[in-house]
Amino acid sequence: GNSVTQMEGPVTLSEEAFLTINCTYTATGYPSLFWYVQYPGEGLQLLLKATKADDKGSNKGFEATYRKETTSFHLEKGSVQVSDSAVYFCALNYGGSQGNLIFGKGTKLSVKP
Amino acid sequence: EAGVVQSPRYKIIEKKQPVAFWCNPISGHNTLYWYLQNLGQGPELLIRYENEEAVDDSQLPKDRFSAERLKGVDSTLKIQPAELGDSAVYLCASSSGRGTPSTDTQYFGPGTRLTVL
Repeated sequence: GNSVTQMEGPVTLSEEAFLTINCTYTATGYPSLFWYVQYPGEGLQLLLKATKADDKGSNKGFEATYRKETTSFHLEKGSVQVSDSAVYFCALNYGGSQGNLIFGKGTKLSVKP
Repeated sequence: EAGVVQSPRYKIIEKKQPVAFWCNPISGHNTLYWYLQNLGQGPELLIRYENEEAVDDSQLPKDRFSAERLKGVDSTLKIQPAELGDSAVYLCASSSGRGTPSTDTQYFGPGTRLTVL
């Protein structure tokens, strides 16, 4: 079936460090891929998305590339800030007539000054 | 533009009591979703509406959960009776319903945190 696997957290980094959060997926067909972020006390916000193979989504310095050959959508940022501390969720939309999201378990990121 | 509004933000009840959650989607959004998020997990879809029609309720435990979206705008999710295992965050999301299903961005509300004692 369709599923998303994210790296286990929590991840703790110092400010200005490089961030990678791994995400791999299993899906039939050609899903769209998303990264959502959940800041403390807030709802999920769309961070970026990619709808086809080799697309790169980017926002707020974060990037992720849709790799069909490795079924991956790893999230990266070159220099994290304390304000990036949040829980990050990778998700896929298996499209068709459903349009429903399947989420990974989330990865908590803490950035220390 | 206002986002997805949910109320209440927090609810504490005793087991076997009924509880209801309310969601007001983004204006003009035809598609509305209810998700369940257990602690340390990602959200899981409970039900999806296209306008006032429930088009996917396969994950909704129908023995105790019910939902409605009268007039295709606001929606209510109800649990009766609540059980200890229902303690979780209940998220509402909406999307425009235009474009393809796989690219139609979902916007989430802040959620209702339910605690069943």
